[in-house]
Amino acid sequence: QQQVKQSPQSLIVQKGGISIINCAYENTAFDYFPWYQQFPGKGPALLIAIRPDVSEKKEGRFTISFNKSAKQFSLHIMDSQPGDSATYFCAANGETSGSRLTFGEGTQLTVNP
Amino acid sequence: NAGVMQNPRHLVRRRGQEARLRCSPVKGHSHVYWYRQLPEEGLKFMVYLQKENIIDESGMPKERFSAEFPKEGPSILRIQQVVRGDSAAYFCASSLGLLNTEAFFGQGTRLTVV
Repeated sequence: QQQVKQSPQSLIVQKGGISIINCAYENTAFDYFPWYQQFPGKGPALLIAIRPDVSEKKEGRFTISFNKSAKQFSLHIMDSQPGDSATYFCAANGETSGSRLTFGEGTQLTVNP
Repeated sequence: NAGVMQNPRHLVRRRGQEARLRCSPVKGHSHVYWYRQLPEEGLKFMVYLQKENIIDESGMPKERFSAEFPKEGPSILRIQQVVRGDSAAYFCASSLGLLNTEAFFGQGTRLTVV
């Protein structure tokens, strides 16, 4: 019940295209859903986060879409750039887990020039 | 404006030795989390500590692993009698501890057991 499932495992997109990464969760107590970006040899860095009181949040080229009834959320990267090539992790936590995060398995994104 | 500082960045240990990983949180943060990342996998929660207290160690193996966050000094993750399967990247994160606030991650310590 604590799992967060992420897909796809890897994604190749052409420069300027849209990258879409999906996550699904089971624990209805989750109420905070961040996305982290990780470059090789670095720690994860918060990219964007959403709470379930909204269905969409946009920050620049990055958008989270949230479907509470389906228990799914996704990251959309518009106008993908080679510099976006990294591993992306969705995560979740909730009142019962404090600030402890449950992570998805990660998506390795490659944006070709 | 120092972020989460972890050291060493790389650590090589022979099987049976002890590994000590250190984490200094963001200044003002009193909540620390340790995660382990195996190659090609996501981050798995290990332990959550506040100053001088272990809050949640449900993700930490019962044997050989221990963690502390003393009143003064960094948080320490200690792995005794390391085995090859302990080879991984260990990440520390810190936060203010308030519900749903951002957790800031360090650069990680990459442990290699030979």
